[in-house]
Amino acid sequence: SQQGEEDPQALSIQEGENATMNCSYKTSINNLQWYRQNSGRGLVHLILIRSNEREKHSGRLRVTLDTSKKSSSLLITASRAADTASYFCAMIGGGADGLTFGKGTHLIIQP
Amino acid sequence: DAGVIQSPRHEVTEMGQEVTLRCKPISGHNSLFWYRQTMMRGLELLIYFNNNVPIDDSGMPEDRFSAKMPNASFSTLKIQPSEPRDSAVYFCASSRGVNTEAFFGQGTRLTVV
Repeated sequence: SQQGEEDPQALSIQEGENATMNCSYKTSINNLQWYRQNSGRGLVHLILIRSNEREKHSGRLRVTLDTSKKSSSLLITASRAADTASYFCAMIGGGADGLTFGKGTHLIIQP
Repeated sequence: DAGVIQSPRHEVTEMGQEVTLRCKPISGHNSLFWYRQTMMRGLELLIYFNNNVPIDDSGMPEDRFSAKMPNASFSTLKIQPSEPRDSAVYFCASSRGVNTEAFFGQGTRLTVV
């Protein structure tokens, strides 16, 4: 089944800076979703972008989708220490595939 | 709404024992997913149900694993017999439909010794 691949695997930036994470995938998708996971907790949905959308915003989050390149990016602007977490892209491919996740980007915001 | 509820939160068991993990999805959601998370393999989709029917169980590692969803408000994941390599955090998630956002439970941390 489809599985995304996030890049970079780990990212450390200073508080206030912007953080960009990328996701690549292999086959066609219905939509692409981004999730956050704080250490030891369940995943929390951040944003969903449909295959016919190119960009979506939610607060300090901006997601882009390029279906021709089979890639998506998540931008977190004006990062805060509380943004420290792992970020995953998730998608559903064709057919009966369920929602599958990449291995995630571990983001550390230095105060 | 209480969200997706998983039990137990932690389970320590001896190799060879049967383990049953439980999940109560959010009321009104008709898709339910079971995942396993480890450092090495990341978050793996084990099985998912739509309207209580298993749709894709290709992620179930082997016959020792089985999952059921007898009704819309309850699902179980059973491992029999358990092995040390089954140690992981198991998550249950539910959604209104397969193409919508998923809501995760807090997970069950399983340790098989």
